[in-house]
Amino acid sequence: NAGVMQNPRHLVRRRGQEARLRCSPVKGHSHVYWYRQLPEEGLKFMVYLQKENIIDESGMPKERFSAEFPKEGPSILRIQQVVRGDSAAYFCASSPRRTGDNSPLHFGNGTRLTVT
Amino acid sequence: TQLLEQSPQFLSIQEGENLTVYCNSSSVFSSLQWYRQEPGEGPVLLVTVVTGGEVKKLKRLTFQFGDARKDSSLHITAAQPGDTGLYLCAGVEGGGSNYKLTFGKGTLLTVNP
Repeated sequence: NAGVMQNPRHLVRRRGQEARLRCSPVKGHSHVYWYRQLPEEGLKFMVYLQKENIIDESGMPKERFSAEFPKEGPSILRIQQVVRGDSAAYFCASSPRRTGDNSPLHFGNGTRLTVT
Repeated sequence: TQLLEQSPQFLSIQEGENLTVYCNSSSVFSSLQWYRQEPGEGPVLLVTVVTGGEVKKLKRLTFQFGDARKDSSLHITAAQPGDTGLYLCAGVEGGGSNYKLTFGKGTLLTVNP
């Protein structure tokens, strides 16, 4: 019974390159959330998706960042033209229903992005 | 923006000691969750508290939600090295955004054998 799977676990990119982070939710979960954890800071909400829909992207920078959760396949967080400030741990979480309705989040082990 | 302040930021104790960590906010949350995160891993949910004044126990861990639902505490009795980790509290916003978690920065606990 696999949990949330994120890959890669570690990703190194040079400034200006693109980073693609993948997340496969727990089987049967249709709600996916992305959070970012910067050094010395707490986890910050970025985006909430359901299959083929972005529900709330209010925590995601307006430029260079995008997210999708297609009908088939994993959710993808894409960062274009990465800058050093994008270096962080990116966590994906999933739930069977919208969290807050007594439906807890299941987090993956994150992707640690380093921009050189 | 709702904020959660956790204290202390760091705590190092000896095995067998008791400890309490705190999570405070000026805002009201519809519920509050506590997570533990180990190095290189994602947070793992420990408990959710919903009702003001609620107390929940998980073995040696006791969680309390303040009467006004603005603060919470986690008390660990007879700490063990296996309790070492980053303890995060997270508030669930109410209303239409009740899926968003607002996390504190965490308390990094080290229990020395």
